[in-house]
Amino acid sequence: GAVVSQHPSRVICKSGTSVKIECRSLDFQATTMFWYRQFPKQSLMLMATSNEGSKATYEQGVEKDKFLINHASLTLSTLTVTSAHPEDSSFYICSASARAKSNQPQHFGDGTRLSIL
Amino acid sequence: AQSVTQLGSHVSVSEGALVLLRCNYSSSVPPYLFWYVQYPNQGLQLLLKYTTGATLVKGINGFEAEFKKSETSFHLTKPSAHMSDAAEYFCAVSRTGGTSYGKLTFGQGTILTVHP
Repeated sequence: GAVVSQHPSRVICKSGTSVKIECRSLDFQATTMFWYRQFPKQSLMLMATSNEGSKATYEQGVEKDKFLINHASLTLSTLTVTSAHPEDSSFYICSASARAKSNQPQHFGDGTRLSIL
Repeated sequence: AQSVTQLGSHVSVSEGALVLLRCNYSSSVPPYLFWYVQYPNQGLQLLLKYTTGATLVKGINGFEAEFKKSETSFHLTKPSAHMSDAAEYFCAVSRTGGTSYGKLTFGQGTILTVHP
C-alpha cells in the first residue's frame, strides 16, 4: 500500500528554535499533502493543504508565518515551525494524496511529537 | 458544511465480543466516508471507505461499516474483537466543493479497549 514517511518522529528543543518536519510519499506521487495538529486526547485538526508547486492553503486561525509549508516536489512537503514556543508543543501529522479528490483516501505519516522546553 | 459525530469517546468490550463504534455525519451533498485507526504515537491507518456503490463496505482486519443514508450513519463493526484491536478510531467525511475539495473532517475519536 501507499507509504508516507514522516521525519523526525520526535523533537525536543528550546523555545525560540525553528523546527523542520519532513513528509515524504515513498511509492507514489503526492500532488496534495495535508498537515494536521493533534492535541492530547483530541482529534486531528487540519492546519493547511499543500499542493505541489503552489502556495499552501491555510485553515482559519492558523498563522502562515508561524507554520511555513513548502511542497517543492511530488514526493516531499515540509512544515517549519518558526520560533517555536511551548504552546506549539503538539503531535503533528502529515498525509498525502495522489489526487485531491474527495473519494481518494489520504495516507498518513506516523507523526512528529514536538516538545518545546 | 460537513460534520462528524462519534457517539462515545470510550468503548470497552471483551475479547471475542462484537465491536460497534458509532458515527453520524452531516453533509449537504452525498458524502464520502472513511474510518481510520490510530495506535499510540502513530499516524492514521485507513480501515475502509465508502464512496459510491455497495453500502456495506469491508475493510482490513475484519472490520466493516454500513452507510445508511436515511440515518446519516456509518457505524463501524467487527464480529469478534481481538486484543490487537485496542486503539483509537476516527470517522471522517471528505469535504467537497471549491478549495475544500478532498479535505477531511474528523470526528472526535473513540478509544476502543479490549479486555481479556
